[in-house]
Amino acid sequence: QVQLVESGGGLVKPGGSLRLSCAASGFSFSDYYMSWIRQAPGKGLEWVSYISSSDSTIYYADSVKGRFTISRDNAKNSLYLQMNSLRAEDTAVYYCARDSLVPGYWGQGTLVTVSS
Amino acid sequence: EIVMTQSPATLSVSPGERATLSCRASQRISSNLAWYQQKPGQAPRLLIYGASTRATGIPARFSGSGSGTEFIFTISSLQSEDFAVYHCQQYNDWPYTFGQGTKVEIK
Repeated sequence: QVQLVESGGGLVKPGGSLRLSCAASGFSFSDYYMSWIRQAPGKGLEWVSYISSSDSTIYYADSVKGRFTISRDNAKNSLYLQMNSLRAEDTAVYYCARDSLVPGYWGQGTLVTVSS
Repeated sequence: EIVMTQSPATLSVSPGERATLSCRASQRISSNLAWYQQKPGQAPRLLIYGASTRATGIPARFSGSGSGTEFIFTISSLQSEDFAVYHCQQYNDWPYTFGQGTKVEIK
């Protein structure tokens, strides 16, 4: 069955960096677009970024453009999100999701807390 | 950016009753709308896409309708497991955006 497992979250100071990972299994990872979607505590969902199957197409939300970088390693069935210059407003649960339009599979999420 | 507005923010319904949720887009999005269910501490679960197509394994009591800017999501007879937050999402234009959610609670 499809599994998406995020890791790499934690507590980081403002201005710091974190790299999130998402390990995928149960499907042909290289055939699918992948996305990162986040949810601040008690808030709604925000699409952060998505990447095409061959990483030729990448989109970012304006709120993270220039600070976050999405990437993938199809040989390792893994998706990544490099987050730099983190701000308090980046505090959220970050979900890895399969597909770019209507994600039918989501990971359990990893919490990123940006605080001094 | 397309703004998605859901109403009401909270809906109190008794088990077995019908629940009707609304979602409005700030500009036309054709039928490029999805609905998700989210329970506390869990990831969202896809219920409906294309405004009215149920995702695999989703019970028939969940339905969606609408196109353009006005959309409706209905649970025909609420079961105990249906009490949750429901999100709408447009995928017509990037950035894809979500509504703020409607919480369906037990009356």
